[in-house]
Amino acid sequence: KNQVEQSPQSLIILEGKNCTLQCNYTVSPFSNLRWYKQDTGRGPVSLTIMTFSENTKSNGRYTATLDADTKQSSLHITASQLSDSASYICAQGKLVFGTGTRLLVSP
Amino acid sequence: NAGVMQNPRHLVRRRGQEARLRCSPMKGHSHVYWYRQLPEEGLKFMVYLQKENIIDESGMPKERFSAEFPKEGPSILRIQQVVRGDSAAYFCASSLTSELDYGYTFGSGTRLTVV
Repeated sequence: KNQVEQSPQSLIILEGKNCTLQCNYTVSPFSNLRWYKQDTGRGPVSLTIMTFSENTKSNGRYTATLDADTKQSSLHITASQLSDSASYICAQGKLVFGTGTRLLVSP
Repeated sequence: NAGVMQNPRHLVRRRGQEARLRCSPMKGHSHVYWYRQLPEEGLKFMVYLQKENIIDESGMPKERFSAEFPKEGPSILRIQQVVRGDSAAYFCASSLTSELDYGYTFGSGTRLTVV
């Protein structure tokens, strides 16, 4: 069954700290892997898109990694800000989405 | 263009009524995707449409749900005879082509509450 599993389910960090969110997928064949940020009450906003051959992709303080061999991806957030509080969703293509990691950045 | 527009933002329906959700894609986009998001769950793909055509409806329940994307006007997701289990956030996304990298963008969603 094609699935995307994310961990942790939720995370609380202090403002200014870094964090890493994990995504494991079993989807085959591979479709571009995306990370989204979803604020409460809003639609998902794309952070990074990674093709099969890419290992790392950055967007400001967000850096995504991809290991296509182990079918794992991670999203690293550097120097967190209060506005980073949101759900972060990993997705394979347009059909399979993870349930997200809820991040709370505390002052 | 303000992006993908969905309306209404919030919709309350009594059991048995019909719900009509509208999605206006970004200017120039002819591909629309609908998703449902239940609390504490991930986005679930429902249907993919191009202008006047349903391309993939594999995620849409066979009964009570229908979708269209006419030549003119927004895409419509229709839910007939709503039940409490239909309460969810419904999102649409649009893209320029079938390749997701071309400006694939989500709207802000319609939150349907069935009472």
